[in-house]
Amino acid sequence: EAGVAQSPRYKIIEKRQSVAFWCNPISGHATLYWYQQILGQGPKLLIQFQNNGVVDDSQLPKDRFSAERLKGVDSTLKIQPAKLEDSAVYLCASSLESIYNEQFFGPGTRLTVL
Amino acid sequence: AQTVTQSQPEMSVQEAETVTLSCTYDTSESDYYLFWYKQPPSRQMILVIRQEAYKQQNATENRFSVNFQKAAKSFSLKISDSQLGDAAMYFCALGGGADGLTFGKGTHLIIQP
Repeated sequence: EAGVAQSPRYKIIEKRQSVAFWCNPISGHATLYWYQQILGQGPKLLIQFQNNGVVDDSQLPKDRFSAERLKGVDSTLKIQPAKLEDSAVYLCASSLESIYNEQFFGPGTRLTVL
Repeated sequence: AQTVTQSQPEMSVQEAETVTLSCTYDTSESDYYLFWYKQPPSRQMILVIRQEAYKQQNATENRFSVNFQKAAKSFSLKISDSQLGDAAMYFCALGGGADGLTFGKGTHLIIQP
């Protein structure tokens, strides 16, 4: 079974630039999550999708971050414009139904904002 | 709001010995799940063990077991017969209600050969 795929693996941009990350969850997984993991901290949930609908985006900085999950499969997370404090690893995860199910994580995208 | 606290930033154990990682949490939900995830240096997180709050019996997965104390809101992870491959960051996580999954800050586990 293929795991959660993410791209790119690494990205370096300057502040005020825009960036986009892509995630392809495990086939059949209805729920998709984006997390931000700042160095030395645990992952923080940014947004949770159930199929193509948003379940929870309470911690997503909506003035600069946006996310979509077209057709309930792939998802993209965008930052525009980026700030220095956005430097982090962005993790995508998927699960069968809900947060009570095991979440399978992708390898993450390491973003550096200069 | 849910909170998860891991008070041990780093733990070290000799290979083949037993180590316990601590986790406390707070939630107003009556139905919730607790998880321990492992994040090796390559950064891909994997589930170690899961505990349903309504179950009194502590979960066990081979060398990994938990001590779930619901009244004290404590959820510790015991690793028996530690192996070099157990070296990683370990995150305690809480899932329940509308707050999604909340992670602690993690414990860095070092295995001494």
